[in-house]
Amino acid sequence: EAGVTQFPSHSVIEKGQTVTLRCDPISGHDNLYWYRRVMGKEIKFLLHFVKESKQDESGMPNNRFLAERTGGTYSTLKVQPAELEDSGVYFCASSQKQQTGEADTQYFGPGTRLTVL
Amino acid sequence: KNEVEQSPQNLTAQEGEFITINCSYSVGISALHWLQQHPGGGIVSLFMLSSGKKKHGRLIATINIQEKHSSLHITASHPRDSAVYICAAWLSNQFYFGTGTSLTVIP
Repeated sequence: EAGVTQFPSHSVIEKGQTVTLRCDPISGHDNLYWYRRVMGKEIKFLLHFVKESKQDESGMPNNRFLAERTGGTYSTLKVQPAELEDSGVYFCASSQKQQTGEADTQYFGPGTRLTVL
Repeated sequence: KNEVEQSPQNLTAQEGEFITINCSYSVGISALHWLQQHPGGGIVSLFMLSSGKKKHGRLIATINIQEKHSSLHITASHPRDSAVYICAAWLSNQFYFGTGTSLTVIP
């Protein structure tokens, strides 16, 4: 069974440009999460999809970030326009259906390393 | 202040040593996750536990809910165990992550 995949693995862009990150979860996983790790800091939650719906987007830093999961399969995270502080590693994770409030084993992708110059 | 604190931040051990990584959290949680990240690689889930102890190979994870503390132990450490180990506490439908412990095992 294929794991969680992310594309691209690395992206280097200039301030003001747009970047779109993609995450393909494990097939059949309803839950999809986006996380970000800024250099030297802990991983931070960005948002959570259940199928195509945004369950929780409380971690999204501002309106320059837009996440979508059309059809409840893969997800994209767009940053427009990118700022220097957006640099970091963006992780995606997926898990099977869970009851509200319960944790489930999350399977992480390899991450996308974003560098904004 | 982060809700989840790990110690130590960095750890160097000789091959064969017994290793302990600690995680403390300041809020009530329903589960705790231990994750492993190899250099340049993705994140792998090692354990998810809500009570007691779990063992997988040379890895053992324990949690004490009353004391809000969890430990990850590695027995007979090996250079391939070198990685960053991260604990993550599940609260209010999301994970709160520690900053990670960077482990280097020297042959």
